[in-house]
Amino acid sequence: QSVLTQPPSVSATPGQKVTISCSGSSSNIGNNYVSWYQHLPGTAPKLLIYNDNERPSGIPDRFSGSKSGTSATLGITGLQTGDEANYYCGTWDTTLSAVVFGGGTKLTVL
Amino acid sequence: EVQLVESGGGLVQPGGSLRVSCAASGFVFSNYWMSWVRQAPGKGLEWVANIKEDGRERYYVGSVKGRFTISRDNAKKSLYLQMNSLRVEDTAVYYCARLQVYYDYVGGSYRPWYFDYWGQGTLVTVSS
Repeated sequence: QSVLTQPPSVSATPGQKVTISCSGSSSNIGNNYVSWYQHLPGTAPKLLIYNDNERPSGIPDRFSGSKSGTSATLGITGLQTGDEANYYCGTWDTTLSAVVFGGGTKLTVL
Repeated sequence: EVQLVESGGGLVQPGGSLRVSCAASGFVFSNYWMSWVRQAPGKGLEWVANIKEDGRERYYVGSVKGRFTISRDNAKKSLYLQMNSLRVEDTAVYYCARLQVYYDYVGGSYRPWYFDYWGQGTLVTVSS
């Protein structure tokens, strides 16, 4: 079981919007920055969001991040078939003194 | 262009040892913390270890403490993970990642912030 909880899967059709939740506690999300990663099996994971809601250069504004209390959310608008991937949230856990990730969410674009 | 290329994975018996490497290019390697993150088959990402720019601080996830050692050679722009006393549950793809950190003035230490570049990984299989 992962320290951070994500839904195992979400799906939507091209052009729609989808959100992926990441739930934690005060020892991790509640008091530390959240980052989000996109991962296609066999490839290098890719940073999408850092600092809860900042996008690195080159990441389109279709991707957004937000945080409230001990939960964070990744939003993706204008879905494309190329967005099909696994998405992970991550942060520091102060109690565990460890970087922790969510279990991952598989996005299917139907 | 930042590039991280892992190598050294393979099949090893339980109780055995293996060293995986990561060759870095496209940035000043000695200016950055580095990390290893792994993904077991069918599972999510799991952080394994971090190392400071000069190698003087190292941190590990509890399940590998005392068995794994992260190290670096800044002259060779390379990161390493020495894995001893390997277990079946260590079977995973091991990713090298560049780690951004920030200084926590309250706690008086550096804190992991995010991983901004990753390699494509190297597969380590522990099986008899």
